[in-house]
Amino acid sequence: EDKVVQSPLSLVVHEGDTVTLNCSYEVTNFRSLLWYKQEKKAPTFLFMLTSSGIEKKSGRLSSILDKKELSSILNITATQTGDSAIYLCARGSGNTGKLIFGQGTTLQVKP
Amino acid sequence: GAGVSQSPSNKVTEKGKDVELRCDPISGHTALYWYRQSLGQGLEFLIYFQGNSAPDKSGLPSDRFSAERTGGSVSTLTIQRTQQEDSAVYLCASSTATSVTYEQYFGPGTRLTVT
Repeated sequence: EDKVVQSPLSLVVHEGDTVTLNCSYEVTNFRSLLWYKQEKKAPTFLFMLTSSGIEKKSGRLSSILDKKELSSILNITATQTGDSAIYLCARGSGNTGKLIFGQGTTLQVKP
Repeated sequence: GAGVSQSPSNKVTEKGKDVELRCDPISGHTALYWYRQSLGQGLEFLIYFQGNSAPDKSGLPSDRFSAERTGGSVSTLTIQRTQQEDSAVYLCASSTATSVTYEQYFGPGTRLTVT
């Protein structure tokens, strides 16, 4: 069964802390793993990891794909209150456009 | 440029009524997706369209749900005889192609409340 599991489900930190969010997935027909940030409404794209690109970085955010462990992590360093959001992980499989999402991690960054 | 737009942003309806939700994808994007997000949950795939190909309807939860995409652009998701469990945020996304190696861009969603 295609399944994506994220942990923790929620996290509260203070500004300046570093956080690591986890995502694990099933292996069947794996093609890509995506991270999105969702604040009020529309999820916004952060990273996409594939077999040919297993590490991505943008500013304080970075993500790594561990194909052996069937997992990915999203790191945020020097967190800011603006990082407060739900972080969604999704995997794509086969040749379809369908994404399977995890349940999300709710991050709250306190001043 | 303009992103994905959805209307209405909020919809309150009585149980048993039909509703129509609209999605206008990014211009030039050939693939269009509908997802549903219930309170505190991740996104649940409903249906996707790619060009003139038959849509993938594998995520539609019941035959009360249907969607169409006219002229390869605007899409309408219709829910007939709404039930309280249909209450959720309905999100639309589009991408340049149907492959999952292309990122999907999401609209702001329609919050549906069935009373």
